[in-house]
Amino acid sequence: ETGVTQSPTHLIKTRGQQVTLRCSSQSGHNTVSWYQQALGQGPQFIFQYYREEENGRGNFPPRFSGLQFPNYSSELNVNALELDDSALYLCASSRADTQYFGPGTRLTVL
Amino acid sequence: GESVGLHLPTLSVQEGDNSIINCAYSNSASDYFIWYKQESGKGPQFIIDIRSNMDKRQGQRVTVLLNKTVKHLSLQIAATQPGDSAVYFCAENGRTSGGSNYKLTFGKGTLLTVNP
Repeated sequence: ETGVTQSPTHLIKTRGQQVTLRCSSQSGHNTVSWYQQALGQGPQFIFQYYREEENGRGNFPPRFSGLQFPNYSSELNVNALELDDSALYLCASSRADTQYFGPGTRLTVL
Repeated sequence: GESVGLHLPTLSVQEGDNSIINCAYSNSASDYFIWYKQESGKGPQFIIDIRSNMDKRQGQRVTVLLNKTVKHLSLQIAATQPGDSAVYFCAENGRTSGGSNYKLTFGKGTLLTVNP
């Protein structure tokens, strides 16, 4: 176990709704990165948070946003959900350059 | 540009055999690579990493080889066990657009099946 936790485990939403996913980083890790993993694919980088600010972003639209809190935990928010947003959402925490992943949140958009 | 790809999508081996999973990368500036194992319904699990100043690194039953000339790396698993059955990803660790930290670029993965 990495010590990275995510909630909820599973989530079902309908198109157009909004969702918030949560991640608690491993103790001592100050950086949280979020990834989207579609079925049968490798994870795709969404963005990263460091010192409560976004520190790098992948090719995802602005309706994907996030927060990092003083205790280094983080949230991923997705507005105006689309069917293609159905995926496993992974967060990874790090202190240096090695990232350790949580178990993920499975989001299904109907 | 950045891309990390795998040669084979599936690999089936007998228990006790050695397994070799291959990975190609395209960014010659890449200097840090990580292999992850992902079991069904779980997040990727760190296995082993290697930096570009090394050609080989060994862990417990695993070895990673890096060939910078042809931009290729491989993961070798010795005496493969049923518990090794999973999807294996190689990932390139590169700087984010912010420049101060790192992001991972993954390939599609190789499904390893170990037959008893």
